Amino acid sequence: EVQLVESGGGLVQPGGSLRLSCAASGFTFSSNAMTWVRQAPGKGLEWVSSISGGGRTVENADSVKGRFTISRDNSRNTLYLQMNSLRAEDTAVYYCAKGTSSYWWTFDYWGHGTLVTVSS
Amino acid sequence: EIVMTQSPATLSVSPGERATLSCRASQSVSSNLAWYQQKPGQAPRLLFFGTSTRATGIPARFSGSGSGTEFTLTISSLQSEDFAVYYCQQFKNWPLTFGGGTKVEIK
Repeated sequence: EVQLVESGGGLVQPGGSLRLSCAASGFTFSSNAMTWVRQAPGKGLEWVSSISGGGRTVENADSVKGRFTISRDNSRNTLYLQMNSLRAEDTAVYYCAKGTSSYWWTFDYWGHGTLVTVSS
Repeated sequence: EIVMTQSPATLSVSPGERATLSCRASQSVSSNLAWYQQKPGQAPRLLFFGTSTRATGIPARFSGSGSGTEFTLTISSLQSEDFAVYYCQQFKNWPLTFGGGTKVEIK
């Protein structure tokens, strides 16, 4: 059974940092692209960052470029999102999502999400 | 950036009726479109990828169609568990973009 479990969210002051983790199991992690998608309270879905299975392809939304870094440790089956210089508008539930085998950038499994709140 | 526009924002439908949801792209995405369903407090669930390829476990009452800039998600006979928010997503170009969602509510 595929499982994705996010952790690392919480309350942080503007300008602060957090590192999110997503522990994966039930599939060959290194063979699948992974993505972070966020959802602000009461709002729609927003793509944040994506990384290919081997880590060679990395793409980020303009809204997080230069501040967020996606990475993965295939030996630990874990995806990360390092978030620096956090802003109030980064407040959201952050989901990690697994790419399908046919189309890397569509997502067939999602974690339960971890809430990041940026506030003083 | 490809802008995805969904309509209507809210669709009021009675159980057993047909629901038709639209998604429009600001430029052609070919068939590089996915649909997701999200219920309150839950993560999104993949319904379709590649426009009309049904994801695992998705009932046949759901169908996806379209290409280029115009796409449709149809639910042939709404069941109680189908009342949710539906999102389209293009994966033709970076950045990946989602539509604003259509909320399907009970009439």
